[in-house]
Amino acid sequence: AQTVTQSQPEMSVQEAETVTLSCTYDTSESDYYLFWYKQPPSRQMILVIRQEAYKQQNATENRFSVNFQKAAKSFSLKISDSQLGDAAMYFCAYTTQGGSEKLVFGKGTKLTVNP
Amino acid sequence: DTGVSQNPRHKITKRGQNVTFRCDPISEHNRLYWYRQTLGQGPEFLTYFQNEAQLEKSRLLSDRFSAERPKGSFSTLEIQRTEQGDSAMYLCASSAGQGGGTQYFGPGTRLTVL
Repeated sequence: AQTVTQSQPEMSVQEAETVTLSCTYDTSESDYYLFWYKQPPSRQMILVIRQEAYKQQNATENRFSVNFQKAAKSFSLKISDSQLGDAAMYFCAYTTQGGSEKLVFGKGTKLTVNP
Repeated sequence: DTGVSQNPRHKITKRGQNVTFRCDPISEHNRLYWYRQTLGQGPEFLTYFQNEAQLEKSRLLSDRFSAERPKGSFSTLEIQRTEQGDSAMYLCASSAGQGGGTQYFGPGTRLTVL
Protein backbone atom coordinates (compact mmCIF):
# COMPACT_ATOMS: atom_id res chain seq x y z
CA ALA A 1 0.00 0.00 0.00
CA GLN A 2 1.11 3.49 -0.72
CA THR A 3 1.88 5.42 2.43
CA VAL A 4 3.09 8.89 3.29
CA THR A 5 4.72 9.55 6.66
CA GLN A 6 5.19 12.92 8.28
CA SER A 7 7.15 12.28 11.44
CA GLN A 8 6.78 15.76 12.95
CA PRO A 9 3.24 16.39 14.24
CA GLU A 10 4.21 19.94 15.23
CA MET A 11 7.01 22.35 14.42
CA SER A 12 7.71 25.92 15.37
CA VAL A 13 9.93 28.59 13.86
CA GLN A 14 10.81 32.18 14.58
CA GLU A 15 9.69 34.76 12.08
CA ALA A 16 12.35 35.28 9.37
CA GLU A 17 14.07 31.98 10.19
CA THR A 18 14.17 28.78 8.14
CA VAL A 19 12.34 25.56 8.92
CA THR A 20 12.33 22.14 7.28
CA LEU A 21 9.36 19.77 7.34
CA SER A 22 10.00 16.09 6.75
CA CYS A 23 8.13 13.60 4.60
CA THR A 24 8.85 10.05 3.53
CA TYR A 25 6.76 7.88 1.25
CA ASP A 26 6.58 4.29 0.20
CA THR A 27 5.95 3.22 -3.36
CA SER A 28 7.08 0.68 -5.90
CA GLU A 29 6.06 2.89 -8.81
CA SER A 30 8.58 4.68 -10.99
CA ASP A 31 6.37 7.48 -12.28
CA TYR A 32 4.79 9.57 -9.57
CA TYR A 33 4.32 13.09 -8.29
CA LEU A 34 4.81 14.63 -4.87
CA PHE A 35 3.09 17.65 -3.40
CA TRP A 36 3.09 19.85 -0.36
CA TYR A 37 -0.25 21.41 0.50
CA LYS A 38 -0.92 24.10 3.09
CA GLN A 39 -4.15 24.25 5.09
CA PRO A 40 -4.48 27.42 7.20
CA PRO A 41 -6.92 27.28 10.12
CA SER A 42 -10.50 27.17 8.86
CA ARG A 43 -9.37 27.84 5.32
CA GLN A 44 -9.07 25.71 2.24
CA MET A 45 -6.12 23.64 1.22
CA ILE A 46 -3.78 25.23 -1.29
CA LEU A 47 -0.84 23.85 -3.22
CA VAL A 48 2.58 24.98 -2.02
CA ILE A 49 4.88 23.06 -4.34
CA ARG A 50 4.88 20.12 -6.75
CA GLN A 51 7.66 17.73 -7.79
CA GLU A 52 7.76 15.23 -10.65
CA ALA A 53 9.68 12.14 -9.65
CA TYR A 54 11.45 11.90 -13.00
CA LYS A 55 13.02 15.30 -12.50
CA GLN A 56 16.23 15.33 -10.52
CA GLN A 57 16.12 19.08 -9.98
CA ASN A 58 14.44 20.10 -6.77
CA ALA A 59 11.35 22.26 -7.19
CA THR A 60 11.32 25.79 -5.80
CA GLU A 61 8.57 28.37 -5.41
CA ASN A 62 9.78 31.66 -3.99
CA ARG A 63 10.56 31.01 -0.31
CA PHE A 64 9.57 27.34 -0.57
CA SER A 65 11.87 24.62 -1.81
CA VAL A 66 12.06 20.86 -1.56
CA ASN A 67 14.84 18.36 -1.01
CA PHE A 68 13.79 15.36 -3.10
CA GLN A 69 15.83 12.23 -2.45
CA LYS A 70 14.32 9.58 -4.72
CA ALA A 71 16.42 6.65 -3.55
CA ALA A 72 15.63 7.41 0.07
CA LYS A 73 11.98 8.17 -0.78
CA SER A 74 12.25 11.43 1.06
CA PHE A 75 10.59 14.74 0.17
CA SER A 76 11.22 17.52 2.69
CA LEU A 77 9.94 21.09 2.48
CA LYS A 78 12.13 24.04 3.39
CA ILE A 79 10.51 27.37 4.19
CA SER A 80 12.93 30.28 4.18
CA ASP A 81 12.35 33.69 5.76
CA SER A 82 9.28 32.37 7.58
CA GLN A 83 6.34 34.72 7.81
CA LEU A 84 3.39 34.80 10.20
CA GLY A 85 1.14 33.85 7.31
CA ASP A 86 3.00 30.59 6.89
CA ALA A 87 1.38 29.24 10.05
CA ALA A 88 -0.79 26.32 8.98
CA MET A 89 -1.06 22.55 8.70
CA TYR A 90 1.24 21.27 6.00
CA PHE A 91 0.41 18.03 4.25
CA CYS A 92 2.73 15.97 2.11
CA ALA A 93 0.95 14.02 -0.63
CA TYR A 94 1.76 11.57 -3.38
CA THR A 95 0.12 10.28 -6.51
CA THR A 96 1.06 7.85 -9.23
CA GLN A 97 0.94 8.51 -12.94
CA GLY A 98 -2.21 7.29 -14.65
CA GLY A 99 -5.57 6.09 -13.40
CA SER A 100 -7.41 8.33 -11.01
CA GLU A 101 -4.24 10.00 -9.75
CA LYS A 102 -5.88 10.22 -6.33
CA LEU A 103 -3.76 11.85 -3.67
CA VAL A 104 -2.44 9.91 -0.67
CA PHE A 105 -1.77 12.28 2.20
CA GLY A 106 0.35 12.17 5.30
CA LYS A 107 -1.12 13.12 8.68
CA GLY A 108 0.26 16.62 8.49
CA THR A 109 2.62 18.87 10.40
CA LYS A 110 1.29 21.85 12.30
CA LEU A 111 3.63 24.81 11.81
CA THR A 112 3.63 27.66 14.28
CA VAL A 113 5.47 30.88 13.44
CA ASN A 114 6.53 32.91 16.45
CA PRO A 115 6.91 36.70 16.10
CA ASP B 1 -11.67 31.15 -12.64
CA THR B 2 -13.71 31.28 -9.46
CA GLY B 3 -12.16 28.21 -7.85
CA VAL B 4 -13.85 25.15 -6.43
CA SER B 5 -16.94 25.88 -4.38
CA GLN B 6 -18.81 23.66 -1.95
CA ASN B 7 -22.19 24.00 -0.31
CA PRO B 8 -23.18 24.01 2.41
CA ARG B 9 -20.09 24.95 4.37
CA HIS B 10 -21.49 23.49 7.55
CA LYS B 11 -24.17 20.89 8.17
CA ILE B 12 -25.48 19.67 11.49
CA THR B 13 -27.82 16.73 11.37
CA LYS B 14 -29.26 14.10 13.62
CA ARG B 15 -28.22 10.49 13.39
CA GLY B 16 -30.27 8.61 10.84
CA GLN B 17 -30.99 11.60 8.61
CA ASN B 18 -29.87 11.91 5.01
CA VAL B 19 -27.59 14.71 3.89
CA THR B 20 -26.41 15.91 0.48
CA PHE B 21 -23.40 18.05 -0.33
CA ARG B 22 -22.64 19.85 -3.56
CA CYS B 23 -19.35 20.62 -5.27
CA ASP B 24 -18.86 22.97 -8.21
CA PRO B 25 -15.42 22.38 -9.74
CA ILE B 26 -13.35 24.77 -11.80
CA SER B 27 -15.27 24.93 -15.06
CA GLU B 28 -12.74 23.44 -17.46
CA HIS B 29 -11.65 20.63 -15.13
CA ASN B 30 -12.78 17.17 -16.18
CA ARG B 31 -11.53 15.37 -13.06
CA LEU B 32 -13.34 15.63 -9.74
CA TYR B 33 -12.44 14.06 -6.42
CA TRP B 34 -14.10 13.70 -3.04
CA TYR B 35 -11.99 13.29 0.12
CA ARG B 36 -12.88 13.00 3.79
CA GLN B 37 -10.79 14.59 6.52
CA THR B 38 -11.21 13.79 10.19
CA LEU B 39 -9.66 15.76 13.02
CA GLY B 40 -5.91 15.43 13.17
CA GLN B 41 -5.68 13.43 9.95
CA GLY B 42 -4.86 14.11 6.35
CA PRO B 43 -7.60 13.86 3.75
CA GLU B 44 -8.56 10.35 2.62
CA PHE B 45 -9.76 9.58 -0.88
CA LEU B 46 -13.42 8.66 -1.31
CA THR B 47 -14.22 8.70 -5.01
CA TYR B 48 -13.16 10.01 -8.42
CA PHE B 49 -15.03 11.18 -11.51
CA GLN B 50 -13.72 11.74 -14.99
CA ASN B 51 -16.36 13.85 -16.66
CA GLU B 52 -19.65 12.18 -15.68
CA ALA B 53 -18.21 8.71 -15.11
CA GLN B 54 -17.44 7.54 -11.59
CA LEU B 55 -14.28 5.54 -12.18
CA GLU B 56 -12.98 4.76 -8.72
CA LYS B 57 -14.44 4.35 -5.26
CA SER B 58 -12.62 3.80 -2.00
CA ARG B 59 -13.51 1.03 0.41
CA LEU B 60 -14.30 3.92 2.78
CA LEU B 61 -17.35 4.65 0.63
CA SER B 62 -19.93 2.38 2.23
CA ASP B 63 -23.32 1.56 0.72
CA ARG B 64 -24.76 4.55 2.55
CA PHE B 65 -22.69 6.89 0.44
CA SER B 66 -23.47 7.77 -3.15
CA ALA B 67 -21.95 10.33 -5.46
CA GLU B 68 -23.00 11.65 -8.82
CA ARG B 69 -21.71 14.05 -11.40
CA PRO B 70 -24.46 14.55 -13.95
CA LYS B 71 -23.34 16.05 -17.24
CA GLY B 72 -19.78 16.18 -15.98
CA SER B 73 -20.26 19.48 -14.21
CA PHE B 74 -21.14 19.79 -10.52
CA SER B 75 -21.11 16.78 -8.22
CA THR B 76 -23.19 15.71 -5.25
CA LEU B 77 -22.28 13.44 -2.37
CA GLU B 78 -25.17 11.95 -0.43
CA ILE B 79 -24.95 10.14 2.87
CA GLN B 80 -27.98 8.14 3.89
CA ARG B 81 -28.83 7.18 7.46
CA THR B 82 -25.98 9.22 8.88
CA GLU B 83 -23.96 7.90 11.80
CA GLN B 84 -21.84 9.77 14.33
CA GLY B 85 -18.76 8.31 12.66
CA ASP B 86 -19.63 10.22 9.51
CA SER B 87 -18.77 13.49 11.24
CA ALA B 88 -15.87 14.93 9.26
CA MET B 89 -14.86 17.55 6.74
CA TYR B 90 -15.80 16.52 3.20
CA LEU B 91 -13.47 18.03 0.63
CA CYS B 92 -13.93 18.30 -3.09
CA ALA B 93 -11.08 18.83 -5.53
CA SER B 94 -10.80 19.17 -9.28
CA SER B 95 -8.00 18.96 -11.80
CA ALA B 96 -7.54 19.43 -15.52
CA GLY B 97 -6.07 16.13 -16.62
CA GLN B 98 -3.43 13.44 -16.27
CA GLY B 99 0.24 13.87 -15.61
CA GLY B 100 0.01 14.64 -11.93
CA GLY B 101 -2.11 17.69 -12.54
CA THR B 102 -2.58 19.89 -9.52
CA GLN B 103 -5.77 19.25 -7.62
CA TYR B 104 -7.50 22.41 -6.50
CA PHE B 105 -9.51 22.05 -3.34
CA GLY B 106 -12.75 23.62 -2.25
CA PRO B 107 -13.33 24.97 1.26
CA GLY B 108 -15.05 21.78 2.36
CA THR B 109 -18.33 20.91 4.04
CA ARG B 110 -18.07 20.22 7.74
CA LEU B 111 -20.60 17.61 8.80
CA THR B 112 -21.58 17.13 12.41
CA VAL B 113 -23.84 14.20 13.23
CA LEU B 114 -25.51 14.45 16.63
